[in-house]
Amino acid sequence: DAMVIQNPRYQVTQFGKPVTLSCSQTLNHNVMYWYQQKSSQAPKLLFHYYDKDFNNEADTPDNFQSRRPNTSFCFLDIRSPGLGDAAMYLCATSSHTPAEQFFGPGTRLTVL
Amino acid sequence: QKEVEQNSGPLSVPEGAIASLNCTYSDRGSQSFFWYRQYSGKSPELIMSIYSNGDKEDGRFTAQLNKASQYVSLLIRDSQPSDSATYLCAVKTGRQGAQKLVFGQGTRLTINP
Repeated sequence: DAMVIQNPRYQVTQFGKPVTLSCSQTLNHNVMYWYQQKSSQAPKLLFHYYDKDFNNEADTPDNFQSRRPNTSFCFLDIRSPGLGDAAMYLCATSSHTPAEQFFGPGTRLTVL
Repeated sequence: QKEVEQNSGPLSVPEGAIASLNCTYSDRGSQSFFWYRQYSGKSPELIMSIYSNGDKEDGRFTAQLNKASQYVSLLIRDSQPSDSATYLCAVKTGRQGAQKLVFGQGTRLTINP
């Protein structure tokens, strides 16, 4: 079945220790998104890739970076996680922007 | 004013009744609207999309759109306990070439057996 996969599902890191979250998709969609969602809040778009074109949201901190080495994979790098970065990180894909988006299961990040 | 507003709830509905979820949005030029269901600790799941004024039905779900009033709603008929979740309204907004989905904070729905 076509799907969006995120690894790991749970990630624990220490304050200031870099962490990388991974997303892969078998939908062959052009667009991949990263969202941050904190408890009882709306998903907040961090950035997205349309093919190789990177689009950063204006209020996304520099601490968050992303890479998309090919159509199937996209990575979220948090260079120096702070306690405020503890959240669910959601990867989503769509065939074009910003049509119906399909989400992966998410990665729950804990910062100690 | 928030771009997409929903009543956070909780909304409590007895099993078998109709649950009505509402959403308003600020961008009058928005053309695409989506409802997502999110169970606690899980990711959002797309359940409905609507693009034209009026009603769109899919099984027990009906989405209603009124662009003049900048209002979109989701009705769930014959509510089941498994419908208990947070429902997120998402609106495609922004200028051409820089559009994105903006999510409301969600309405928490509880169906009581």
